[in-house]
Amino acid sequence: KAGVTQTPRYLIKTRGQQVTLSCSPISGHRSVSWYQQTPGQGLQFLFEYFSETQRNKGNFPGRFSGRQFSNSRSEMNVSTLELGDSALYLCASSLSGAGTEAFFGQGTRLTVV
Amino acid sequence: AQSVTQLDSQVPVFEEAPVELRCNYSSSVSVYLFWYVQYPNQGLQLLLKYLSGSTLVKGINGFEAEFNKSQTSFHLRKPSVHISDTAEYFCAVSDIQGAQKLVFGQGTRLTINP
Repeated sequence: KAGVTQTPRYLIKTRGQQVTLSCSPISGHRSVSWYQQTPGQGLQFLFEYFSETQRNKGNFPGRFSGRQFSNSRSEMNVSTLELGDSALYLCASSLSGAGTEAFFGQGTRLTVV
Repeated sequence: AQSVTQLDSQVPVFEEAPVELRCNYSSSVSVYLFWYVQYPNQGLQLLLKYLSGSTLVKGINGFEAEFNKSQTSFHLRKPSVHISDTAEYFCAVSDIQGAQKLVFGQGTRLTINP
């Protein structure tokens, strides 16, 4: 079956702009979580959605937001981009939540200039 | 709050040699434990996980890990590595219920030399 699909794979944005990243989970998976990966901070949890509800949120400013649609597809939005937002953004889907295997997409590489 | 410490940021080994990547965690509650691998320009792939039961867990590609509750460790081992094992390895923990939220260590870069 198809894996987790993230689009786009690469993005270049200018400081102050906003960006929307998309994640299509594996069919049947209802949980989608997002992570930011940077060389300095490593992998950090952004938020998790289950059945269109945010169940948990990491320690990121309010500029980072997300949503999940009824088909479980998820988007994350970053407003007023800063240089420090340059990172690999990874999405993971799982059947339900903790304890079920998280399958990761290939990520979206965001560069802010 | 939970935290994960991977004790080595880089581990160079020769091909066909054994390897151990070390991971310690801290948590006030019971956790699940995971090892993920990341190849260049790729997402993360699950190597193995410990949920309950036997403390020795076998995963894909010949890797195994042992959960030690008293030492709060979950070290990853492979008896004989191959060039293709060159990658970054991440140890992670999660709560045992609720949201899918993984807390990762900083990663260990495994380099296999011929």
